[in-house]
Amino acid sequence: GQNIDQPTEMTATEGAIVQINCTYQTSGFNGLFWYQQHAGEAPTFLSYNVLDGLEEKGRFSSFLSRSKGYSYLLLKELQMKDSASYLCAVRPASGGSYIPTFGRGTSLIVHP
Amino acid sequence: EAQVTQNPRYLITVTGKKLTVTCSQNMNHEYMSWYRQDPGLGLRQIYYSMNVEVTDKGDVPEGYKVSRKEKRNFPLILESPSPNQTSLYFCASSLLGGGAGELFFGEGSRLTVL
Repeated sequence: GQNIDQPTEMTATEGAIVQINCTYQTSGFNGLFWYQQHAGEAPTFLSYNVLDGLEEKGRFSSFLSRSKGYSYLLLKELQMKDSASYLCAVRPASGGSYIPTFGRGTSLIVHP
Repeated sequence: EAQVTQNPRYLITVTGKKLTVTCSQNMNHEYMSWYRQDPGLGLRQIYYSMNVEVTDKGDVPEGYKVSRKEKRNFPLILESPSPNQTSLYFCASSLLGGGAGELFFGEGSRLTVL
């Protein structure tokens, strides 16, 4: 089975930095995704980590530690438009099983 | 433009009246999937398909059917909708093998069953 945990809600100030954590327990591991979802819209892909370490992409970075079953999404220089839900998803081990499991998402509120 | 298209985007129906939500992708993706999203529960997978004529149940398949007769289309069928199927539905697709294999989502279909 798989279990993915992320905080339900976070708030932050415009211009600040926020870190959204995701912990997971899976029967195997073949990659972790972060998606952004604005209210009433479709999720959109942000990042993918399969090896340990930090992946940086503009204002957004994603970190993975496979041994700890832990990832975080780091958002820098927060903007009002970053107010959204952030979904962590884990893909289990390869060998036929391709189905990613989603966490319940973290609702980020950015205020002025 | 690469996209996943769902229809209808909004639908209000009554209990027991069969309905189909269509999903089409133009990216030649092998993998397609349906999710429902409810407040506090996140995205839950209904059915998925790894390729044409290959479909499997996800976490919440009860009350739903799917088919995959063509690679690009993956309709979701509610034979006898009930109020507990009121939800926001997303279709998604991705490539299998190579690269991240991230999901591309349709814009969503908001269904209300009275």
